Amino acid sequence: RKEVEQDPGPFNVPEGATVAFNCTYSNSASQSFFWYRQDCRKEPKLLMSVYSSGNEDGRFTAQLNRASQYISLLIRDSKLSDSATYLCVVNLSSGNTPLVFGKGTRLSVIA
Amino acid sequence: GAVVSQHPSWVICKSGTSVKIECRSLDFQATTMFWYRQFPKQSLMLMATSNEGSKATYEQGVEKDKFLINHASLTLSTLTVTSAHPEDSSFYICSARTAHVFYGYTFGSGTRLTVV
Repeated sequence: RKEVEQDPGPFNVPEGATVAFNCTYSNSASQSFFWYRQDCRKEPKLLMSVYSSGNEDGRFTAQLNRASQYISLLIRDSKLSDSATYLCVVNLSSGNTPLVFGKGTRLSVIA
Repeated sequence: GAVVSQHPSWVICKSGTSVKIECRSLDFQATTMFWYRQFPKQSLMLMATSNEGSKATYEQGVEKDKFLINHASLTLSTLTVTSAHPEDSSFYICSARTAHVFYGYTFGSGTRLTVV
């Protein structure tokens, strides 16, 4: 079983749509959780951290369910510029340990 | 903010040659550098963890004699792909943990290696 699993997509949605991505992780000892965004042939960039209480940043809402080891990302009012690959990422600790990446979910927002 | 400069951004080399990739932390000290590679439509896979002044720790399945990592200073880590083969063609990217309050991770811009 992969450590971090995501639906690879692609998700093709019209502008203004709401889209949700899901992710599961296998290691219950994971401590910190993130969504990263990666554009084609570029480095990943932090979109947002994910907290158990849920958190929102503008059009983006992230949720974490530790009991079911499940993370989600909701994007409202999709923009063309949201087209990218969204990576679910976990870390086993809050210390100096490497991030573990999912394969990513490809999103294409269409005009 | 914390910046990691990685170069080259792309390189094409012949089979059997070696390629060196550099990652420099520009405004902070990177005691630890993580090296990843990413094949098309795959996730970033950790290759090794390098700590300044000590030997790198390699992930299972990554040949340490083929992928030489040097982290001789707090601002520079290098990955050398030795005797490169076409199957080594990939996107290589470094990431450093910063000692800033947020304790975030900073990524280099990546190196696209093509071995012909």
